[in-house]
This record gives sequence, C-alpha cells and structure tokens, in this order.
Amino acid sequence: SQTIHQWPATLVQPVGSPLSLECTVEGTSNPNLYWYRQAAGRGLQLLFYSVGIGQISSEVPQNLSASRPQDRQFILSSKKLLLSDSGFYLCASGTADEQFFGPGTRLTVL
Amino acid sequence: GENVEQHPSTLSVQEGDSAVIKCTYSDSASNYFPWYKQELGKGPQLIIDIRSNVGEKKDQRIAVTLNKTAKHFSLHITETQPEDSAVYFCAASVQEGDMRFGAGTRLTVKP
Repeated sequence: SQTIHQWPATLVQPVGSPLSLECTVEGTSNPNLYWYRQAAGRGLQLLFYSVGIGQISSEVPQNLSASRPQDRQFILSSKKLLLSDSGFYLCASGTADEQFFGPGTRLTVL
Repeated sequence: GENVEQHPSTLSVQEGDSAVIKCTYSDSASNYFPWYKQELGKGPQLIIDIRSNVGEKKDQRIAVTLNKTAKHFSLHITETQPEDSAVYFCAASVQEGDMRFGAGTRLTVKP
C-alpha cells in the first residue's frame, strides 16, 4: 500500500516569507499527486495536481506554486506568504478515483 | 465544473443511534463518490465509496446510497460509537484531477 510523507508537520511563518512544503510517496510508481488546502472549518480545496514529472495543473489562481522534480516528490512553494495562506495542507497520491492522503502540514502565517 | 454540497455541517447523536450525512452534486457526468473520515490533526482516510453503476453499498456499520436521478448520495452510520466522532467529507469526481469535496460534517457521538 502507499505511504505519503509530508513535512514539516507544523510551520509558523511571517507574512512575506517564502514557503516550501514537501511530499514524498512510497509504495507506488508514477502516481498522480495532489495538493489540497483545508481552511479551518471548511472542506478540501484542490490547489494543484500532477500526472507526471514536470507536469503541473493549477486549479485556482494564487501566490502558490507546485513542482514535481521526481516521480514521487511533490513540492508546494510560495515566494511571499499571505495571511490568507494559513491552513492545513494535504498531499494526496492516487487517481481521480481513489486518493490516499498524507498526514498534512498545518501552516500558520502571522 | 462540479459543485458538491454537504449537509449538515454538524451532527450530534447518542451512542447507538444512527447518523446520516447527505451530499448533492451538480455534474451528471460524475461517476465516483468516495467518503472520507478525518480525525483531528490527521489527513482524510477513505472509508467507503460508490460508483455510478451501483445504488447502494454496505460495509459493516457503514452504508452509502446513490440516487443518480436526483444527483445526491448519502452516508449512513448505524449503531454509532464514540470513535465514530470525526469530520466526514463526501466527494465526487468525473475525470482526472477533478475530485470535488463537500465542506464536511462534524459528527459527535455522545456516550
């Protein structure tokens, strides 16, 4: 079965600082990878998905970006964080049919 | 694009009672409907799913029903236990990268 690793687990960053969240996947090859954000008390919002190395699709316009330098590595980045970027970020692996989620990163922007 | 609505946002039941969470979707082409359970501070875990060619699916105390005509699907939990307390999400998908989630239901099972 797949295992999704995310780090860090929690992060507190000042407004305007850069961001890099990493996700790696074990137990599968050539997975589709997803980044979701979950704001407090709200549902999951799809941010990015990737069907292969270097292939990124963005779902919503924002100051975040994603990259996939290796088959099982997915990175979420920002050059300058906003207060509204605070939330719980989840990486997922799988297909449109079935997705396995990582443990998440709780980001607080102050 | 697909739009998924989920009700209620919060649900409190006594241990042993049943809990029902309902979702509606907008895209008639959606063909896969998973349900996820998210415990505090953790990622969502898939608990049950249903495809558009099936009307009902059951797994022990959990069941999901799908009404394609009305475009709604529901999660039923019977004989609820305190460990069922969590946030539950429904989702619908029609194609790659297009899984849309409901806003979630916080279920509390009182002992």
